[in-house]
Amino acid sequence: QKEVEQNSGPLSVPEGAIASLNCTYSDRGSQSFFWYRQYSGKSPELIMSIYSNGDKEDGRFTAQLNKASQYVSLLIRDSQPSDSATYLCAVKGSGANNLFFGTGTRLTVIP
Amino acid sequence: NAGVTQTPKFQVLKTGQSMTLQCAQDMNHNSMYWYRQDPGMGLRLIYYSASEGTTDKGEVPNGYNVSRLNKREFSLRLESAAPSQTSVYFCASRNRLAGAYNEQFFGPGTRLTVL
Repeated sequence: QKEVEQNSGPLSVPEGAIASLNCTYSDRGSQSFFWYRQYSGKSPELIMSIYSNGDKEDGRFTAQLNKASQYVSLLIRDSQPSDSATYLCAVKGSGANNLFFGTGTRLTVIP
Repeated sequence: NAGVTQTPKFQVLKTGQSMTLQCAQDMNHNSMYWYRQDPGMGLRLIYYSASEGTTDKGEVPNGYNVSRLNKREFSLRLESAAPSQTSVYFCASRNRLAGAYNEQFFGPGTRLTVL
């Protein structure tokens, strides 16, 4: 079983819609969770970090964490074509000093 | 601040050749990381250095060596390149603080092809 799992997509949403990206993780002791955005041919850049159960909002982005169910999600409201990218979920395991990354979900926002 | 820089951006090697990928950061971060990214596999950790003077294996260390030259620089060496090492290599750094684990910053990547 992989440490971090994501639906690889592709996920297509129309412009202005809400995009919902999901991630599950296997290490119940994980405490730190991150969403990175990666444009084609570019490096990952941080979108959101979340450490506590519940929702964390930053502009059009909302990260949701449920440690009991071991999932973390990212909602993108009012999706724009510029949001088209691959979104990587990353989790710090309880015994590790590094991140485990999912394989990413490719999002396409259709104008 | 340039952030995290990597050289070269692109490289083509023949099987058996050696090379060193260079990484430097100017953010005074104490932890540095080397990842490889392959289609369908996501980012996988090769080696990391929690602080100057220390290095540790990650998920896929075989075929690689690393050197933490100083606080700024962390190099990755392929002693005898193999086609299976064709990949995009990313270096990252993080300011390791007490408390919550904070974000890693990534360099622009090196695209390596081994023929």
